[in-house]
Amino acid sequence: DGGITQSPKYLFRKEGQNVTLSCEQNLNHDAMYWYRQDPGQGLRLIYYSQIVNDFQKGDIAEGYSVSREKKESFPLTVTSAQKNPTAFYLCASSINDRGIQYFGAGTRLSVL
Amino acid sequence: GENVEQHPSTLSVQEGDSAVIKCTYSDSASNYFPWYKQELGKRPQLIIDIRSNVGEKKDQRIAVTLNKTAKHFSLHITETQPEDSAVYFCAAGDDKIIFGKGTRLHILP
Repeated sequence: DGGITQSPKYLFRKEGQNVTLSCEQNLNHDAMYWYRQDPGQGLRLIYYSQIVNDFQKGDIAEGYSVSREKKESFPLTVTSAQKNPTAFYLCASSINDRGIQYFGAGTRLSVL
Repeated sequence: GENVEQHPSTLSVQEGDSAVIKCTYSDSASNYFPWYKQELGKRPQLIIDIRSNVGEKKDQRIAVTLNKTAKHFSLHITETQPEDSAVYFCAAGDDKIIFGKGTRLHILP
């Protein structure tokens, strides 16, 4: 299924807590993406990175942060500023910013 | 901002019949149009894509058509089978893509 690994599969966040979702790929892809999936809402882009050490905000970046220190890794932090974090989070990568996107298996985040 | 509209949100077809899902997009700079299939509890997977220099593309029972003038594109599935039941997403864009909200396809026995 493409060499993109997301962890953990399930994650619970307490009030006021920051949590970090992991996304690793071994496909040597330059571009990586984070999407949020809510029921009936499709996939909405949170952040994307076209190359290491660079990233851009997507449509719903507020309350989230990312880093891209290594080509293979693109972790997403859900901060306490994100008031409605419960969702299914999907990471994707593509060979470049115009290539086919391959998705990880996702992380389901819930609030305690 | 850019937007992708997808219709219908739910579609039920008899096994063996055809299914058609339609999308429209707002950004005229879009030149890449992928379609993804997501089975329950699984990751989205690309089933077919088309670029703006092509009007139609076919892969076995699946075809996609693109009308750049009208800014709409469609997915056609012929001879539907039970394993076609899933949520289908269209998307449009260039360096980043915008997804539609999805169509839940039910194949009736």
